[in-house]
Amino acid sequence: DGGITQSPKYLFRKEGQNVTLSCEQNLNHDAMYWYRQDPGQGLRLIYYSQIVNDFQKGDIAEGYSVSREKKESFPLTVTSAQKNPTAFYLCASSMWGAPTDTQYFGPGTRLTVL
Amino acid sequence: KQEVTQIPAALSVPEGENLVLNCSFTDSAIYNLQWFRQDPGKGLTSLLLIQSSQREQTSGRLNASLDKSSGRSTLYIAASQPGDSATYLCAVRRSGGGADGLTFGKGTHLIIQP
Repeated sequence: DGGITQSPKYLFRKEGQNVTLSCEQNLNHDAMYWYRQDPGQGLRLIYYSQIVNDFQKGDIAEGYSVSREKKESFPLTVTSAQKNPTAFYLCASSMWGAPTDTQYFGPGTRLTVL
Repeated sequence: KQEVTQIPAALSVPEGENLVLNCSFTDSAIYNLQWFRQDPGKGLTSLLLIQSSQREQTSGRLNASLDKSSGRSTLYIAASQPGDSATYLCAVRRSGGGADGLTFGKGTHLIIQP
C-alpha cells in the first residue's frame, strides 16, 4: 500500500532531551513537509524539503532540525531549545511544480514533554 | 503574511441537512486552496483541491467554490450524514512553483446529529 508512515504514534520526552520523529513515504513524492498542530489550532509549517539534501525553514523552525538524506525519509528532531514542544506533529508529502499537487498526510505523532 | 480564517468554529446540525462552511484568506495571490477533513487524533484527509484558475470543484456530496478576488472559499456538504462529523480545515498554498507549505485555518468542528 502506498502512503506515509510516522513513528512512534505517541512519544514522551523529559525536559532537556532531544527526540527524533520518523516520517517515511513510498509515494515517490519529491517534496516532504513537517507541521505542528496545537489544540484548537490550525497546522503550522515547521520545515519543508523539495529534494534530497535540501530543506527550507517554515514559519516556526526554531528549536527543530531536519535532514533529507533519502527521498523516502524526512526525520524531524525536536531539540531541547524548543520551548514548548508538546503538540501533535504531522508529516506530509506531495509532488511539486503543478497547481494540482495535493499534500498527503501521515497519521501523526503526539509528543508529550514530562 | 497570509492569514486564513474559518467560520463558524463549530457547527451542529441534524442529519440530512445541507450546510456550508466558510473560509477566507487575506492575500489573494494563492496557487491553490485545499479542503481537508480531520478525525479526532488522526491525520488529514484531502477532500478537494481548487486551482487558483478554477471556480469550483465537486466530489460526491461535496462542492467547494473559490472566489480569489474576494479571498473566499466555501465547502458545501449536501444531505449530511453522521459519518461527516469531523473537523474541516481549509488551507492555501502560496503562489509560485516548487514545493511550498500550506497556510491553514483553525478549522470548523462539525457534528451531525443522528
